[in-house]
Amino acid sequence: GQQVMQIPQYQHVQEGEDFTTYCNSSTTLSNIQWYKQRPGGHPVFLIQLVKSGEVKKQKRLTFQFGEAKKNSSLHITATQTTDVGTYFCAGYTSGTYKYIFGTGTRLKVLA
Amino acid sequence: AAGVIQSPRHLIKEKRETATLKCYPIPRHDTVYWYQQGPGQDPQFLISFYEKMQSDKGSIPDRFSAQQFSDYHSELNMSSLELGDSALYFCASSLEGLGTKNIQYFGAGTRLSVL
Repeated sequence: GQQVMQIPQYQHVQEGEDFTTYCNSSTTLSNIQWYKQRPGGHPVFLIQLVKSGEVKKQKRLTFQFGEAKKNSSLHITATQTTDVGTYFCAGYTSGTYKYIFGTGTRLKVLA
Repeated sequence: AAGVIQSPRHLIKEKRETATLKCYPIPRHDTVYWYQQGPGQDPQFLISFYEKMQSDKGSIPDRFSAQQFSDYHSELNMSSLELGDSALYFCASSLEGLGTKNIQYFGAGTRLSVL
């Protein structure tokens, strides 16, 4: 079945360092969404990418969708302690009515 | 703004008992998704409904069933509970379609503990 993998699984960074998580799908996606989940919380929507090669920015966060629509990345510039949490990508395939979540990257930011 | 409401927030059951989890989507949202998240795991898709009809099915055990009612709220029924069913169960709702309409809004989840 369809799989969505993320790397790395864990990342510890010093505050102010950059962070990137990569998401790879075994199948071509219609769109991809990114979510952030704080410890003990629920996933919160960050952004949706639909077009091949799309790049979107939200303040210090940059999201990319690969040309083949099978991979995506999230880059955080100059991390802050408020960035702590697990970042999930979730892929949607045309013809289905479900999102497949990636395995997640747990980010810890050391002050 | 109204959010997705899940009840109960916490549930403790014993093995072989049954449980019913409820989800009230954001008003006017027509799609509901159910996920199961084990400790340190990613949310696993269980089942989805669009306009009160099941639209897709994931790794949902046969012991579980779900439905979406005429008022769009959804219930996940779990029978013959096993220890391994202990997890966080999330419901999410969205407006069907691509673009910004397809954003999933998650509820706070129901934490089920099976003893």
